[in-house]
Amino acid sequence: KNQVEQSPQSLIILEGKNCTLQCNYTVSPFSNLRWYKQDTGRGPVSLTIMTFSENTKSNGRYTATLDADTKQSSLHITASQLSDSASYICVVSGGDYKLSFGAGTTVTVRA
Amino acid sequence: GAVVSQHPSRVICKSGTSVKIECRSLDFQATTMFWYRQFPKQSLMLMATSNEGSKATYEQGVEKDKFLINHASLTLSTLTVTSAHPEDSSFYICSARDRATGGEGSNQPQHFGDGTRLSIL
Repeated sequence: KNQVEQSPQSLIILEGKNCTLQCNYTVSPFSNLRWYKQDTGRGPVSLTIMTFSENTKSNGRYTATLDADTKQSSLHITASQLSDSASYICVVSGGDYKLSFGAGTTVTVRA
Repeated sequence: GAVVSQHPSRVICKSGTSVKIECRSLDFQATTMFWYRQFPKQSLMLMATSNEGSKATYEQGVEKDKFLINHASLTLSTLTVTSAHPEDSSFYICSARDRATGGEGSNQPQHFGDGTRLSIL
């Protein structure tokens, strides 16, 4: 069973609207949680990284939250743009260097 | 920012061919690089960890004789898919850990290449 579960699997939003993606994890011990954006046919690009003591971090129109007690994270996209269409991957590190990847949420922004 | 270059970006070849994929860290030294495989609509799956100057560490279920990894320098790791078959068709992605950036262990950032789309006919 995957230790990182993301929802929804996919979503479609209109340009200019906001959306929130969810990530639940069971990885333990916990070191940090990262959100990546992966365009089709490209490698993942880091958006945010949060450690245990951080509960929110922003990168432009992207805001990630972390609740280490409930082992949940969210990624909020504000005022979506067409270029936001991509897969968003939640990645949890439980120690040393190994990363546990979620399956991603595919976001499609339509004009 | 840190850049990881992966080459080639796409390969189409016949069954039985061996294919080499290169992963380079362009502006930093990477003592550790990672190789992942990603099937459509699925998570990235770690195949192996490549350590400069030593043997790679393979994940369970990954055949080391089929997926040969060489990490000959601090900026280059290669993955060779030997005698590739259609079931090896996938998206292969490398990443490199930038030790100089700071942080400890798993907090060190990982930078990903743009991937290689391998299609075996």
